[in-house]
Amino acid sequence: QVQLVESGGGVVQPGRSLRLSCAASGFIFRNYGMHWVRQAPGKGLEWVAVVSNDGNSKFYGDAVKGRFTISRDNSKNTLYLQMNSLRTEDSAVYHCAKDGGGAVAGGVDVWGQGTTVTVSS
Amino acid sequence: DIVMTQTPLSSPVTLGQPASISCRSSQSLVHSDGNAYLSWLQQRPGQPPRLLIYKISNRFSGVPDRFSGSGAGTDFTLKISRVEAEDVGVYSCMQATQFPHTFGQGTKLEIK
Repeated sequence: QVQLVESGGGVVQPGRSLRLSCAASGFIFRNYGMHWVRQAPGKGLEWVAVVSNDGNSKFYGDAVKGRFTISRDNSKNTLYLQMNSLRTEDSAVYHCAKDGGGAVAGGVDVWGQGTTVTVSS
Repeated sequence: DIVMTQTPLSSPVTLGQPASISCRSSQSLVHSDGNAYLSWLQQRPGQPPRLLIYKISNRFSGVPDRFSGSGAGTDFTLKISRVEAEDVGVYSCMQATQFPHTFGQGTKLEIK
């Protein structure tokens, strides 16, 4: 079945870096754009970034622009999020999610369970 | 950035009764291709979000027909015709017309 499994979360000090990974299975990964969406404790969903199916187009939310980098390796069916200069306000559960594409364009139709990032000294 | 505003933020509903959630965008969500990329997601407690509705009114695969979406331009609505116990959770609208994509604050649906 279609599945997204995130990893790489943990506790990190402010100013440090962390790289999240998302392993995809059950669909043709190279055909779909992929998103990262985060949710701070007790808060709503916040869109972080998206990468096109071929990796050539990337867009970021204002809060992470210039600090985070989204990328993908289609040969490994894996999505990444490199997070630099982390701040306490980046603490959240980070979800990897698949863009619906085609007829479901604009819909994010598959979500991972998420990986927790805690930024604290 | 497009700001998405949901009302109400909390909605106590009696089982079997209808529920309605509103989502307003700070600017039109009509894309240059003519589509409006407004979707609705449900997040049950302890679960990741789940896509319910995309492009305003299209029910995603497997979503019960008691869920419906409507609206145009800047005003959108999610309706549940008869609330069931499994519908408890947080409902969020999301716009994907413009980057950065943005979410509404979320509406918590609970049973009275």
